[in-house]
This record gives sequence, structure tokens and C-alpha cells, in this order.
Amino acid sequence: AQSVTQLGSHVSVSEGALVLLRCNYSSSVPPYLFWYVQYPNQGLQLLLKYTSAATLVKGINGFEAEFKKSETSFHLTKPSAHMSDAAEYFCAVRTGGGSEKLVFGKGMKLTVNP
Amino acid sequence: NAGVTQTPKFRILKIGQSMTLQCTQDMNHNYMYWYRQDPGMGLKLIYYSVGAGITDKGEVPNGYNVSRSTTEDFPLRLELAAPSQTSVYFCATNGVGAEAFFGQGTRLTVV
Repeated sequence: AQSVTQLGSHVSVSEGALVLLRCNYSSSVPPYLFWYVQYPNQGLQLLLKYTSAATLVKGINGFEAEFKKSETSFHLTKPSAHMSDAAEYFCAVRTGGGSEKLVFGKGMKLTVNP
Repeated sequence: NAGVTQTPKFRILKIGQSMTLQCTQDMNHNYMYWYRQDPGMGLKLIYYSVGAGITDKGEVPNGYNVSRSTTEDFPLRLELAAPSQTSVYFCATNGVGAEAFFGQGTRLTVV
């Protein structure tokens, strides 16, 4: 069964610093992978998705992620953090098999310090 | 452009009460889902539907029921509320091979 792992629950960076949020996946078939962001008291919003086209995927708000099959990873990065990036970030994998279900990681809360 | 609409936004229930969380989408998607979100646990799938008249259990279905009589609506029913059902509930929908779109959530407290 497909799954994703986000190690840790909280990361703190300084404004202007690199943001790196890690996600490793487990899948028996080529996966569809997603990063979602959740701002306080809101629903989840798609940041970017990997669907087997380019391995480097660019998303909204300057985020990008690289699919690395050899490492079974799909880490999310942003070169320079902004205060408005403070939120919770979820990695997810689509299970396929006709149901299109998403399986989520436990999430990573990003704090940006001034 | 409404997308996915959930009602109510907040609710406090007493133990043993019942309620229905409403979810409506105007995106004409076949796939709909109910998730619950608990702190530090990510989102867990409760029930899902691949089209009108078809529903199936997700990872944590106990204590919940759903129905899907139309493409647009996918209500979630809690029959006998328990404190363990205190959570934030999200409805989501997607088309085939596409990303999921989420509602704004329902924050439920059972006391």
C-alpha cells in the first residue's frame, strides 16, 4: 500500500533562509505525489503535484519539489522563506486503483522567525 | 466560484447526540471524500465515494455513515457522538487524475 513519511512535526527557519521539508514515499507503482499547505483555520490548498512528467516541479508561492525515484523522496524547498510561509505542510500520495484516494503524511508545521 | 462548501463551520455536540455534516461541490466531480484531522496525525480518510450511489469505507469509518444520492452532495452522519469524534472534518473532491479540492472544514467538539 502507498504511504508517505514526514519525519518530525515542526521546523523553524529565519526569514530569508532556505526552507526544506522532507517527504519520503512508499509505492509499488509509479506514484502521483502532492504537497498541500494549510494556513490556520483554513482548508488545504494545493502547492504542487508530481504526475510523472518533469521530475522538478514548480508550485505556487516560489515552492518547488524534486521527485527522486532512487531515494523515494519528494522534498519541498523554497530558497528564501517569507513570514507568510508560516503554515502546516502535508505531503500526500495518490493510491490509484480506481478510487483516487489520497494518503497523507502527518504534516510539518513551519515557523518563520523575523 | 464556490468549489467545495461545508456546513456548519463549528458545532458543539453532547455525548450521544447525532448530527449531519454537509458537503456540496459544484465542480461536477465524481470522487468525494471525508477526512478527519487531529493534531499531529495528518488527515485520516473516513469514507469516500466514486460516484452517485457508490460509497466505501476509508481508514477510520467507525461511528460514521455517509450517503451519495447526487453528484453534488456527500453528507457525513454521526449517530451517537463520542468525545473521540472531536476533530476537524474536511470534505474533498477531485476529478480523475487531478488534485483534490478541499472545503474549509467543520470544527466539531463533543462534550
